[in-house]
Amino acid sequence: DADVTQTPRNRITKTGKRIMLECSQTKGHDRMYWYRQDPGLGLQLIYYSFDVKDINKGEISDGYSVSRQAQAKFSLSLESAIPNQTALYFCATSDTRYAGGPSNTGELFFGEGSRLTVL
Amino acid sequence: RKEVEQDPGPFNVPEGATVAFNCTYSNSASQSFFWYRQDCRKEPKLLMSVYSSGNEDGRFTAQLNRASQYISLLIRDSKLSDSATYLCVVNSPSAGGTSYGKLTFGQGTILTVHP
Repeated sequence: DADVTQTPRNRITKTGKRIMLECSQTKGHDRMYWYRQDPGLGLQLIYYSFDVKDINKGEISDGYSVSRQAQAKFSLSLESAIPNQTALYFCATSDTRYAGGPSNTGELFFGEGSRLTVL
Repeated sequence: RKEVEQDPGPFNVPEGATVAFNCTYSNSASQSFFWYRQDCRKEPKLLMSVYSSGNEDGRFTAQLNRASQYISLLIRDSKLSDSATYLCVVNSPSAGGTSYGKLTFGQGTILTVHP
């Protein structure tokens, strides 16, 4: 079983619908991230969370919200989906315990991605 | 200016060639640096961290130049299996500059190695 699991893996929805992408991890890591990837643009950071009570906006948080329900779960919501949110979404985790302290961060471990299409 | 910039390529090289990628970053307070590899339609995976003194892992060599704010990746003796997108990643301070962990990706450099 994957250490970082994303659901759903694929979703097609219509403009205006509310969508939730879920991420769960069994690695015991403290930090979790949501990225989106568009062709030619690399990965853009949407939100990141250092622990359950610490959530931060990334580069492109407008139109998105997140919830860190537990250390192992970090969900991303699109309250009212629009076509330009069509993208591949990745959840990732990292562990500061092996990163040399809070000024560093360890290796990112990614889920397999959730492909979202908004019509 | 983007926080992390890479030449998107594509780089198209024959097997056995040496190829180098560069990446520049804008935040001088950035603390740590990485190269990730992403195969088509797959998730990114860590290739190597980049240390101040430079580091080597087999055919791969990473360098960091803090004064000029760039990092590089050199691949020697390219293999067909090296074909992928290479992503530069920088760890910068979060808002307020009180903690790190905001990992920013470059747009990636596409490498194709052909027979």
